[in-house]
Amino acid sequence: DAGVTQSPTHLIKTRGQHVTLRCSPISGHKSVSWYQQVLGQGPQFIFQYYEKEERGRGNFPDRFSARQFPNYSSELNVNALLLGDSALYLCASSLTNSGQGVHTGELFFGEGSRLTVL
Amino acid sequence: AQSVSQHNHHVILSEAASLELGCNYSYGGTVNLFWYVQYPGQHLQLLLKYFSGDPLVKGIKGFEAEFIKSKFSFNLRKPSVQWSDTAEYFCAVNGKEGANNLFFGTGTRLTVIP
Repeated sequence: DAGVTQSPTHLIKTRGQHVTLRCSPISGHKSVSWYQQVLGQGPQFIFQYYEKEERGRGNFPDRFSARQFPNYSSELNVNALLLGDSALYLCASSLTNSGQGVHTGELFFGEGSRLTVL
Repeated sequence: AQSVSQHNHHVILSEAASLELGCNYSYGGTVNLFWYVQYPGQHLQLLLKYFSGDPLVKGIKGFEAEFIKSKFSFNLRKPSVQWSDTAEYFCAVNGKEGANNLFFGTGTRLTVIP
């Protein structure tokens, strides 16, 4: 079975540019979350989408945006890139949302997109 | 605000040694607690989780963790580590009712020497 897939795996951008990262969840999973992992730190929550609606947002500036498509895949967009945006961007999918009965809390992570901003 | 502290940044053990990784969280309400593991070159995967009930939870590969509410702790243990346990371990908490987002600690890198 295919796990969570992310693309691209690596990319290099320069300051001020824009980037789009893509994620395909595990088949049947309707929730997608995005996390940023800076080197030496744990993942930090950016967004969560469920059934194409934003259900949660972390403490990130408006330069970060995301959306979820009818097939439950998702895109993370970052505008006006800064050097500090260099990180591993992780996508995670889960079966349910917290409002849909018991939330198992188990997130299934992709391998990430490593973004380097020069 | 929720936060997670992992005090051990890098732990080096010989095979067969016992392991305990510390995790403390900051949140006054009901919590769900998790340990995730990231093996070299692989994605994050769930090791074990606590939602309610028995505070001693068992996970995959012989790992277990104990939730001690009075100490706001959820330490990870394994009686005898193997070389294949070399990985980065992350403690995470979901402490807000209805929220899906996890707060992760900074991680502990475990190196097991054969």
